[in-house]
Amino acid sequence: AIRMTQSPSSLSASTGDRVTITCRASQGLNNHLAWYQQKPGKAPNLLIYAASTLQSGVPSRFSGSGSATDFTLTINCLQSEDFATYYCHQYYSYPWTFGQGTKVEVK
Amino acid sequence: EVQLVESGGGLVQPGGSLRLSCTASGFTFSSSWMSWVRQAPGKGLEWVANIKQDGSEKYYVDSVKGRFTISRDNAKNSVYLQMNSLRAEDTAVYYCAKNIAVGQFDYWGQGTLVTVSS
Repeated sequence: AIRMTQSPSSLSASTGDRVTITCRASQGLNNHLAWYQQKPGKAPNLLIYAASTLQSGVPSRFSGSGSATDFTLTINCLQSEDFATYYCHQYYSYPWTFGQGTKVEVK
Repeated sequence: EVQLVESGGGLVQPGGSLRLSCTASGFTFSSSWMSWVRQAPGKGLEWVANIKQDGSEKYYVDSVKGRFTISRDNAKNSVYLQMNSLRAEDTAVYYCAKNIAVGQFDYWGQGTLVTVSS
């Protein structure tokens, strides 16, 4: 199985900050990589797919980049509603796997 | 509006069985791959299984192979997860999710809690 390693596991930030979360895959994904946001008690919400394509309805302050094994989710000008946990997800090969999550907390 | 509504969760003893259901609306169900994803209490997300539009292809995470079976009924806009030989480590919120093609999940249900305990 492809192992997905996110870093950091958690971070503290303030409203207005720029936040970067990285995801490293144990093998190349051919850009079959998605990012999700999850708030407590809620289902995840798709932000980015194909490594860098913004899902419809997602604010443009979210962006994704990277290729092969190294990927990044960037949140520009962090808003109060962005404090949540973020997961990367590879759908390149079975079994599909997720990163362990990155919790973005209030500083 | 796309809606996915799960049901069937609950408390079950180790070794027992449970069948989860997910009823979809707001999109062409028969044209979509569908998946189950679970999340143990306080833990991350784990993909469990998915099924092709016509049910001809099914894939599972290794930890549930031989115990769980995913199926669908396109006439009822529903996908199911039959869970047998349940273990404590299967305790989780189980989400039904719609796939974009064979890939990312663009819509999720609210989840149903399965607790395996004596």
